[in-house]
Amino acid sequence: AQSVTQLDSQVPVFEEAPVELRCNYSSSVSVYLFWYVQYPNQGLQLLLKYLSGSTLVKGINGFEAEFNKSQTSFHLRKPSVHISDTAEYFCAVSVLSSASKIIFGSGTRLSIRP
Amino acid sequence: GAGVSQSPRYKVTKRGQDVALRCDPISGHVSLYWYRQALGQGPEFLTYFNYEAQQDKSGLPNDRFSAERPEGSISTLTIQRTEQRDSAMYRCASSPGTANSPLHFGNGTRLTVT
Repeated sequence: AQSVTQLDSQVPVFEEAPVELRCNYSSSVSVYLFWYVQYPNQGLQLLLKYLSGSTLVKGINGFEAEFNKSQTSFHLRKPSVHISDTAEYFCAVSVLSSASKIIFGSGTRLSIRP
Repeated sequence: GAGVSQSPRYKVTKRGQDVALRCDPISGHVSLYWYRQALGQGPEFLTYFNYEAQQDKSGLPNDRFSAERPEGSISTLTIQRTEQRDSAMYRCASSPGTANSPLHFGNGTRLTVT
């Protein structure tokens, strides 16, 4: 079965600093990968997804993620964060053979300091 | 178009009572998912439907939990004989149903069992 590990439960950064949120997955078969964002008191919304092709994926709000098959990672990055990026970020995976079942990591809370 | 709607928004019930949580997906969305999210955790997969067919219920914790989607639209998640450990945010999501479609989440139902 596939699984997702987000090692950092909280990441504090200063405004306008770069940030990387780490995600590693475990699966014996090919996967789709996703990052979702959850703003306070809201539902989750898709930030970006990797399906195939280019390993660098660009999403909304200036975020991007890079798929690294050899390291089974899909880290999320942003070169300069804004206060409005304060949220919880969830990495998720689904296997191609059962693409409708999406498994989420435990989340990383990103807090931005002015 | 409206997003995914869940009701009630908050539900407080006494231990041993049955509860029914409702999800109204985005119109035309084929797939419907139920997740449970504990505080500080990522969404935990419970079950999902394509149209009215329950495709996977492997995430339902035990036989007190059941879900239905009789006409392929609105879904109900029922928890019988609730226990305190059932307290959590229950989230519904829908998608168009293609393999790589993003999930559209509702705002959830916060269930508290006293």
